[in-house]
Amino acid sequence: DQQVKQNSPSLSVQEGRISILNCDYTNSMFDYFLWYKKYPAEGPTFLISISSIKDKNEDGRFTVFLNKSAKHLSLHIVPSQPGDSAVYFCAASNAGGTSYGKLTFGQGTILTVHP
Amino acid sequence: GAGVSQSPSNKVTEKGKDVELRCDPISGHTALYWYRQSLGQGLEFLIYFQGNSAPDKSGLPSDRFSAERTGGSVSTLTIQRTQQEDSAVYLCASSLYMYEQYFGPGTRLTVT
Repeated sequence: DQQVKQNSPSLSVQEGRISILNCDYTNSMFDYFLWYKKYPAEGPTFLISISSIKDKNEDGRFTVFLNKSAKHLSLHIVPSQPGDSAVYFCAASNAGGTSYGKLTFGQGTILTVHP
Repeated sequence: GAGVSQSPSNKVTEKGKDVELRCDPISGHTALYWYRQSLGQGLEFLIYFQGNSAPDKSGLPSDRFSAERTGGSVSTLTIQRTQQEDSAVYLCASSLYMYEQYFGPGTRLTVT
């Protein structure tokens, strides 16, 4: 049972344009969400997070939006740069649960930004 | 400062053999996590250590898998009687704060 889903395996955008990566979840107990970026042969690196008490969190070129009613979140990167090309993972946690550190990850989306 | 390190970076083993994977977390981080990523899949949670609390082993796929964390620092993930479906990249992460997990580069395990 895939509780966190990233339905787009890949996304290709032009440098300078907006990249929008999507993530859906099914577990209504999830209340904290994160995005990680992964380059080949490296471990994932934390990018940005959002708590369920918010619907938007912004950090420089990166903005995460959360729609709790739709159980959907998205990551916006603007403007996109070639160095943003990587695999992006969405992750979720139940902060109020006993295993609050346990993250459930989506399958990842490969982002390619063309110069 | 040093990040999370894992060894070996690559491991090829024969089916049926035991393997040990090591993780050195960031100094001072109280929480340590093991995940694995199979080909074309997302990261799958395996086990989570938080301080002196009993570990959350809910993600271990079978009793062939075990992990320990000695002295609240280094951790070893052991897979007994390896099977071909165990082939994956095994990732370790540590954190000080609840959610910002810092990942190591992973150990690529290939079971032939």
